[in-house]
Amino acid sequence: AQSVTQLGSHVSVSEGALVLLRCNYSSSVPPYLFWYVQYPNQGLQLLLKYTSAATLVKGINGFEAEFKKSETSFHLTKPSAHMSDAAEYFCAVSDVHDMRFGAGTRLTVKP
Amino acid sequence: NAGVTQTPKFQVLKTGQSMTLQCAQDMNHEYMSWYRQDPGMGLRLIHYSVGAGITDQGEVPNGYNVSRSTTEDFPLRLLSAAPSQTSVYFCASRIKGGDSNQPQHFGDGTRLSIL
Repeated sequence: AQSVTQLGSHVSVSEGALVLLRCNYSSSVPPYLFWYVQYPNQGLQLLLKYTSAATLVKGINGFEAEFKKSETSFHLTKPSAHMSDAAEYFCAVSDVHDMRFGAGTRLTVKP
Repeated sequence: NAGVTQTPKFQVLKTGQSMTLQCAQDMNHEYMSWYRQDPGMGLRLIHYSVGAGITDQGEVPNGYNVSRSTTEDFPLRLLSAAPSQTSVYFCASRIKGGDSNQPQHFGDGTRLSIL
């Protein structure tokens, strides 16, 4: 079965600093990978998705992720953190009948 | 532009009570699903449906029932609530079950506490 692992349950950065949230996947076939963001007391909102068209994927709010097959990784980055980026982020891998999520990474942005 | 709508937003139940969590989508999506979110565990699939009249179990189905009589609605039933079912429940949908390259759209969740 496909799965994802998010490294680091909490990440703290200063405003303006680089954001790097790590996700590694396990899949025997080319995966469909997603990053979602969850703000407090809300549902999950799609940030970006990888569906094999391009290895560097750009999403909303200035986020992007790079698919690296050799490292089985799909890390999420943003060059300059903003206070509004504080949220929980989930990496997910999609199957025909299921979407498997990582445990989530809570991002804190310090002023 | 409602998307996926879940009701209620909050609910407190006593052990042994039953209730139904409602989910409706207005995007004509064939695939709908229910997840529970627990701290440190991400989201886990409870049940899913690939179309009206078709449902199947996910990763954690015990204690929950579903039905899908229309494309729009996918209610989740707790027959006899247990404290272990205290969680945040999310309903989601996507265009088709087989389109795994498509994202799922999520509702805002139902926060359920079982005393």
